[in-house]
Amino acid sequence: NAGVTQTPKFRVLKTGQSMTLLCAQDMNHEYMYWYRQDPGMGLRLIHYSVGEGTTAKGEVPDGYNVSRLKKQNFLLGLESAAPSQTSVYFCASSAGIPEAFFGQGTRLTVV
Amino acid sequence: KNQVEQSPQSLIILEGKNCTLQCNYTVSPFSNLRWYKQDTGRGPVSLTIMTFSENTKSNGRYTATLDADTKQSSLHITASQLSDSASYICVVSPASSASKIIFGSGTRLSIRP
Repeated sequence: NAGVTQTPKFRVLKTGQSMTLLCAQDMNHEYMYWYRQDPGMGLRLIHYSVGEGTTAKGEVPDGYNVSRLKKQNFLLGLESAAPSQTSVYFCASSAGIPEAFFGQGTRLTVV
Repeated sequence: KNQVEQSPQSLIILEGKNCTLQCNYTVSPFSNLRWYKQDTGRGPVSLTIMTFSENTKSNGRYTATLDADTKQSSLHITASQLSDSASYICVVSPASSASKIIFGSGTRLSIRP
């Protein structure tokens, strides 16, 4: 059972570089989410998707873009990385409220 | 503004002891309240889920309670084990939107032998 898989697990970027984080789920879930987790703060929603081909903004969407071309994949893109985007990123999927399953996280450092 | 506040921020107890973590929320109305356990370097894993009409939910040594009148929830851990060392996160889902769930900042629990 793979569940929710995130790649990569770690990444260091220089300011201005771009990258894409991949989230894959094998549970046939409709809902997928991208969060960031910073010290002393709760997880904050960046973008989410309620189904293949749909995306919507969350609480902190600026500087990020997403795509859901296939139901099982949800991509998070950083077009021009900034130090403020240094964080741990979590992907989650859900068949609907209330249960959500999280990936292992991606630790991103922007220098 | 909908908020979820957890206390204490951190807690250290001896192995075998019990402890209670608190969650106060202002989200209203809400659909459900969840407690997650997050081990260091891992994603959160669900412990309990309670709808607004439930008062208590257990999962092994973990028991969550909910008082919708006072907007408080607690997570009680019985006979703590070293493996209980983790962050515990309270999460509330507003009834108005499935996507706008609100995470507390968590309580960092450390179990000492």
